[in-house]
Amino acid sequence: DIQMTQSPSSLSASVGDRVTVTCRASQSISSYLNWYQQKPGKAPELLIYAVSSLQSGVPSRFSGSGSGTDFTLTISSLQAEDFATYYCQQSHSNPRTFGPGTKVEIK
Amino acid sequence: EIQLLESGGDLVQPGGSLRLSCAASGFTFSNYAMSWVRQAPGKGLEWVSGISGSGGSTYYADSVRGRFTVSRDNYKSTVSLLVNNLRAEDTALYYCVKDHCGSMTCPSRFDYWGQGTLVTVSS
Repeated sequence: DIQMTQSPSSLSASVGDRVTVTCRASQSISSYLNWYQQKPGKAPELLIYAVSSLQSGVPSRFSGSGSGTDFTLTISSLQAEDFATYYCQQSHSNPRTFGPGTKVEIK
Repeated sequence: EIQLLESGGDLVQPGGSLRLSCAASGFTFSNYAMSWVRQAPGKGLEWVSGISGSGGSTYYADSVRGRFTVSRDNYKSTVSLLVNNLRAEDTALYYCVKDHCGSMTCPSRFDYWGQGTLVTVSS
């Protein structure tokens, strides 16, 4: 199975900050990497798919990059509504595996 | 509007069984694979099981293989998860999730999620 790791596990940031979350796969997953956002008490929502494609309705301050085993989610200017937990997920092979999550908190 | 409505979660004793169901609407159900993803209280996301749009292929996480069975009824637009021999570690919110693809072998993404149904395993 492909193992996914994320760093950091949590971070504190202020509105307007640039935030970067890293995801690493235990083997190459090409460009088959998705990102989800989960707010407290809510179901996760698809944010970015295939490394860098924004899901419909997602603000352009979100971006993704990477290939192979190393990937990055960037929020260019953090907004109040972006405080949430972010998960990466590989869709290269079954079982589909998620990273452990990165909680973005208010500083 | 795409909607996924889960049901069937309950408090059950260790070793017990449940049948979780998900009623889908707003899309051509048979064209898309479906998955179940669970989240233990305060923990992260764990993909549990998936089924192709036709129902001909099923997939399971190692942690549930042999105990859980996924199935679908394309006429009723429902997907089910039969969970047997439940353990304390199966306690979680179980989400029904729509895949972007029809099979589980394409590079997909989970584009719609239900609100979840809670399974609690405790004596």
